[in-house]
Amino acid sequence: GAGVSQSPRYKVAKRGQDVALRCDPISGHVSLFWYQQALGQGPEFLTYFQNEAQLDKSGLPSDRFFAERPEGSVSTLKIQRTQQEDSAVYLCASSLGRGMGGGYTFGSGTRLTVV
Amino acid sequence: KQEVTQIPAALSVPEGENLVLNCSFTDSAIYNLQWFRQDPGKGLTSLLLIQSSQREQTSGRLNASLDKSSGRSTLYIAASQPGDSATYLCAATMIKAAGNKLTFGGGTRVLVKP
Repeated sequence: GAGVSQSPRYKVAKRGQDVALRCDPISGHVSLFWYQQALGQGPEFLTYFQNEAQLDKSGLPSDRFFAERPEGSVSTLKIQRTQQEDSAVYLCASSLGRGMGGGYTFGSGTRLTVV
Repeated sequence: KQEVTQIPAALSVPEGENLVLNCSFTDSAIYNLQWFRQDPGKGLTSLLLIQSSQREQTSGRLNASLDKSSGRSTLYIAASQPGDSATYLCAATMIKAAGNKLTFGGGTRVLVKP
């Protein structure tokens, strides 16, 4: 597609529920990033994929967070047993190369609210 | 660990005034520094990217400077317009970062009043 597509746009989850957030990057983009943006703050890095390989998951806040990109295109961020502090906007970005020269395209994000 | 700070957190100016947005970072070993714009409910749009070897970049009414030695970058927006109202984020890419992840500041929320 023309841009990075994220779904759903909004998700309300009851505390303890599992959620899955989807990112459909620009076709052919090698790199895919997930960021978490709390209200009023800047995005914080969660994890990075180069094709299907997850090269950096140092930003995942706990083992309740899991991300995959099995065929090197669509990625899913899964959060198990959601807690209120997980409420945030989850942004996905992709780039053609490794991103050193910029060239990021961000999706519009998924706003997760845990009640 | 790199820390990126943006001051002020919010800024309100009348239309036509020049905007000056500040970004500071603690680790000067950056590969590049980028400025993004974020509109409510939208993703981030890249405005300017400054490589570590550069001192500034310009695009239209936007100019961004970079001073690695002092750990600062400044975004100037000339002759502000109401359409410039948005949140502006700066982000550093570290030389040693795996996967070229971005470290963002907290953003400056700008309101340009007609």
